[in-house]
Amino acid sequence: EDKVVQSPLSLVVHEGDTVTLNCSYEVTNFRSLLWYKQEKKAPTFLFMLTSSGIEKKSGRLSSILDKKELFSILNITATQTGDSAVYLCAVNSGGSNYKLTFGKGTLLTVNP
Amino acid sequence: DAGVIQSPRHEVTEMGQEVTLRCKPISGHDYLFWYRQTMMRGLELLIYFNNNVPIDDSGMPEDRFSAKMPNASFSTLKIQPSEPRDSAVYFCASSWDYLDTGELFFGEGSRLTVL
Repeated sequence: EDKVVQSPLSLVVHEGDTVTLNCSYEVTNFRSLLWYKQEKKAPTFLFMLTSSGIEKKSGRLSSILDKKELFSILNITATQTGDSAVYLCAVNSGGSNYKLTFGKGTLLTVNP
Repeated sequence: DAGVIQSPRHEVTEMGQEVTLRCKPISGHDYLFWYRQTMMRGLELLIYFNNNVPIDDSGMPEDRFSAKMPNASFSTLKIQPSEPRDSAVYFCASSWDYLDTGELFFGEGSRLTVL
């Protein structure tokens, strides 16, 4: 069975801090790894990673994938209270059929 | 576009009752997904459709659950009879290019409570 494990489960930081969220996986037929941000309601897409060692960046957020060690990290620099959310990691696996397995998420709380 | 639209937003029902959740995907998206989210299990894929055809329903927990997509702009998820363990937030998501970008567009969810 495909597995995606995120750590830590929750994290509390102060504005301006830098955080690193972790995602490890065990899946068959890896296609891609995705990060989503879930505030109060629907998850919203952040990044998709398919190749090892290539950093994806969007503003203060960046992410990198290691396909040999089967993990990814999501970094957020200079955190703001608006970054408070659950960050979900998901892995797309399988052949021609879609199969997206989500981790349980990391709850990030950024205090002013 | 208004995004993925789900209804109802909240449903409280009694055990044994039938529940129908509805979803309107974003126009032009040919993939539609139903997910369930609980604290214990996180986000779980129940079923997905491509061009209105169910492709993988292996995540549907049991025969009490069924999903249909009669046309490109509407899908339903039905639970009959409902049980307390079905209490969860049910998300519908759509996409047109998830294989290339991985991007799913989620609706705001339907929170189901079965008493």
